Amino acid sequence: EPEVTQTPSHQVTQMGQEVILRCVPISNHLYFYWYRQILGQKVEFLVSFYNNEISEKSEIFDDQFSVERPDGSNFTLKIRSTKLEDSAMYFCASSVLYNTEAFFGQGTRLTVV
Amino acid sequence: AQSVTQPDIHITVSEGASLELRCNYSYGATPYLFWYVQSPGQGLQLLLKYFSGDTLVQGIKGFEAEFKRSQSSFNLRKPSVHWSDAAEYFCAVGENDMRFGAGTRLTVKP
Repeated sequence: EPEVTQTPSHQVTQMGQEVILRCVPISNHLYFYWYRQILGQKVEFLVSFYNNEISEKSEIFDDQFSVERPDGSNFTLKIRSTKLEDSAMYFCASSVLYNTEAFFGQGTRLTVV
Repeated sequence: AQSVTQPDIHITVSEGASLELRCNYSYGATPYLFWYVQSPGQGLQLLLKYFSGDTLVQGIKGFEAEFKRSQSSFNLRKPSVHWSDAAEYFCAVGENDMRFGAGTRLTVKP
């Protein structure tokens, strides 16, 4: 069964460093998303991406965040200069149509120290 | 703005008992509604969704949910809970972006 895969499963980084979280969406999906879940809190929308550009973004997705689809299979989230409060589980998701059934990856746990 | 409220932070039920998890939404039009389940340390798995049509939707693992427009609710139900159902449950509403509720943690007593 096709699935969304995320790498790495856990990333530890020093404050101020850049990190790139990687995702491989399901191959025939056209819409891609990043969500964040701070420990013990709810899942928060970050950004949606379609046709090589951002469709929607939340207030969380500020200038330190960027997304890219560098090739036909990967979808990345870059955090330019990490802060302690960026520590969270980051989920990638993809869907065939816009905000219809989204399939989520297992997440990348980012720890900023 | 769209929003989702899950009034119950934590619910404990006995194995075999029935379950209802509440979800209320605020949205201007007919929303796309979802229930996801998250087991500890895992990702989000879709249980069921409502887009249109029959207001009672069936999902995986024996779950169902009923869309009630008059009450702006989309409550999740299961007639008989199993110990493996212990998890965090998230209601979500989607249109331009998907908004999640705060989640309800389900504990199942033996």
